[in-house]
Amino acid sequence: DQQVKQNSPSLSVQEGRISILNCDYTNSMFDYFLWYKKYPAEGPTFLISISSIKDKNEDGRFTVFLNKSAKHLSLHIVPSQPGDSAVYFCAASARNAGNMLTFGGGTRLMVKP
Amino acid sequence: DTAVSQTPKYLVTQMGNDKSIKCEQNLGHDTMYWYKQDSKKFLKIMFSYNNKELIINETVPNRFSPKSPDKAHLNLHINSLELGDSAVYFCASSQDRGMGKLFFGSGTQLSVL
Repeated sequence: DQQVKQNSPSLSVQEGRISILNCDYTNSMFDYFLWYKKYPAEGPTFLISISSIKDKNEDGRFTVFLNKSAKHLSLHIVPSQPGDSAVYFCAASARNAGNMLTFGGGTRLMVKP
Repeated sequence: DTAVSQTPKYLVTQMGNDKSIKCEQNLGHDTMYWYKQDSKKFLKIMFSYNNKELIINETVPNRFSPKSPDKAHLNLHINSLELGDSAVYFCASSQDRGMGKLFFGSGTQLSVL
């Protein structure tokens, strides 16, 4: 039973446009959400996070939005660059579960020049 | 200077063999993890150690045994390897089990023939 789902396995975007990656979760106890980026043959690297007390967090070109009522979060990348091409993992944790991370299956983003 | 390093990067072995994967972090973190990325690309936690003490042990066959000689090292030993153990194994670390922000190694691709 996947508690964190990324329903789009892949996304293709033109350079300079916006990339929107989506993530849904089922566990209402999750209170912290993160996005990780992964290049081939490398480990995931932390990108951006958001606490459940917020609905938006921004860091440069990256913004994460959280809709708790819909149990949905999204990552916006504006403007998209070819170097953003990677697999993006959504992850969630719950304080009462020792902050153990539950990952989604990932979305492969391809930014075309 | 790599923050989380794991060796070997590739491991090809026969069914029934015993193998080990080593992991070291130089970040001064208190908590280390082993994650498994299966054929469907999901990242799932296997073990977590905090200051050399086991704190998370997910449903993993007891053929898998983690060993933490000190808080900078967490090795994974696998006995009697099976075909289904083929996967990418990632080591990670974090400060104080802190808020899900993990630093990952580059992964070990294990292939069991």
